[in-house]
Amino acid sequence: NAGVTQTPKFQVLKTGQSMTLQCAQDMNHEYMSWYRQDPGMGLRLIHYSVGAGITDQGEVPNGYNVSRSTTEDFPLRLLSAAPSQTSVYFCASSGPGQYGYTFGSGTRLTVV
Amino acid sequence: KQEVTQIPAALSVPEGENLVLNCSFTDSAIYNLQWFRQDPGKGLTSLLLIQSSQREQTSGRLNASLDKSSGRSTLYIAASQPGDSATYLCAVFNSNSGYALNFGKGTSLLVTP
Repeated sequence: NAGVTQTPKFQVLKTGQSMTLQCAQDMNHEYMSWYRQDPGMGLRLIHYSVGAGITDQGEVPNGYNVSRSTTEDFPLRLLSAAPSQTSVYFCASSGPGQYGYTFGSGTRLTVV
Repeated sequence: KQEVTQIPAALSVPEGENLVLNCSFTDSAIYNLQWFRQDPGKGLTSLLLIQSSQREQTSGRLNASLDKSSGRSTLYIAASQPGDSATYLCAVFNSNSGYALNFGKGTSLLVTP
């Protein structure tokens, strides 16, 4: 049981490049979400999904795009990377009701 | 909008002390509350999950309580050890925020030998 898998673990991008952060879970969880963690700001919600085909914006969605075509996968796309998107990104998933959230190990992204 | 506050922001204690970390939230209509631990440069490890119908949960030396009516939770750590040094994060789960988590900024704990 792998839990929540994020790839890559580290990435350096140049300003203006695009890329996709991958997130996959094997627990058949309905709820998935993306967060970014910055010093002094805590974890902030970027986008979330309550099931396949359903996504919505969180607190800091600008510059990011998501889709949820399957229950297992929830990729996060950076459309045109900016230095302000330098951060650590976490993906998480949860089942309904009594389950808590399980987090991936994170992706450390640097935009130069 | 749900606001989650953690006090204190940082705490340093000698080994063996019992300690309490505080978490408060503004919207009491939560689904559940989850405490996490994060070591430097690492991911989040779930410590305890308290459902909205529960008052407390215990795991080893950790005990978390929840008072929904007052919008507060506490994490009690008994007989602290240097290995407990980490950042502790409180997060609440609201149905009206898409079942995603709202996090506090954490309490950074240092337990000295």
